[in-house]
Amino acid sequence: GNSVTQTEGPVTLSEEAFLTINCTYTATGYPSLFWYVQYPGEGLQLLLKATKADDKGSNKGFEATYRKETTSFHLEKGSVQVSDSAVYFCALRRQAGTALIFGKGTTLSVSS
Amino acid sequence: DAGVIQSPRHEVTEMGQEVTLRCKPISGHNSLFWYRQTMMRGLELLIYFNNNVPIDDSGMPEDRFSAKMPNASFSTLKIQPSEPRDSAVYFCASSLQGGDNEQFFGPGTRLTVL
Repeated sequence: GNSVTQTEGPVTLSEEAFLTINCTYTATGYPSLFWYVQYPGEGLQLLLKATKADDKGSNKGFEATYRKETTSFHLEKGSVQVSDSAVYFCALRRQAGTALIFGKGTTLSVSS
Repeated sequence: DAGVIQSPRHEVTEMGQEVTLRCKPISGHNSLFWYRQTMMRGLELLIYFNNNVPIDDSGMPEDRFSAKMPNASFSTLKIQPSEPRDSAVYFCASSLQGGDNEQFFGPGTRLTVL
């Protein structure tokens, strides 16, 4: 079946540190891949996405590249800020218009 | 733009009671999704609708759960009778159908069943 596995949290970093949150997926065909972010007390917001192999999604300094050969979509940021503290979810969508399949989420805590 | 609206934001009830969660999607969106978030299982799809018609309800846990979408601007998720294991955050999301359109999430309803 389709599934997403991501880094188990929590991830604790100091401000300006480099961030990597790993995400690997299992799916048939060519799913679209997403990173969502959830700030405390809020719903999920789309952070970035990639719809085909070798696509790079980027937003707010975050990047992730769709790697078909390793079935991965790792999230990176070169220099994290305290305001990046949140829960990050990797997700796939097997075909357009269908529901998202999420990983368990990774809690990121950034201290100054 | 009001975004996806969910009510109530918090609900505390006793085991055996009926619970109704409500969602108003973004105007013009024709796909609506209900997800449940728990510590143990993470975020899981319960059901989704396209043009008010249920498309996939395979995530609905059991017959105690039911969802309706009587029109394009309103959906309900009902649990009857509720049980403590139903305690979770329930999210509603909406999108334009088809393509690679973004799903927009509501703020969620935190349900506690005592």
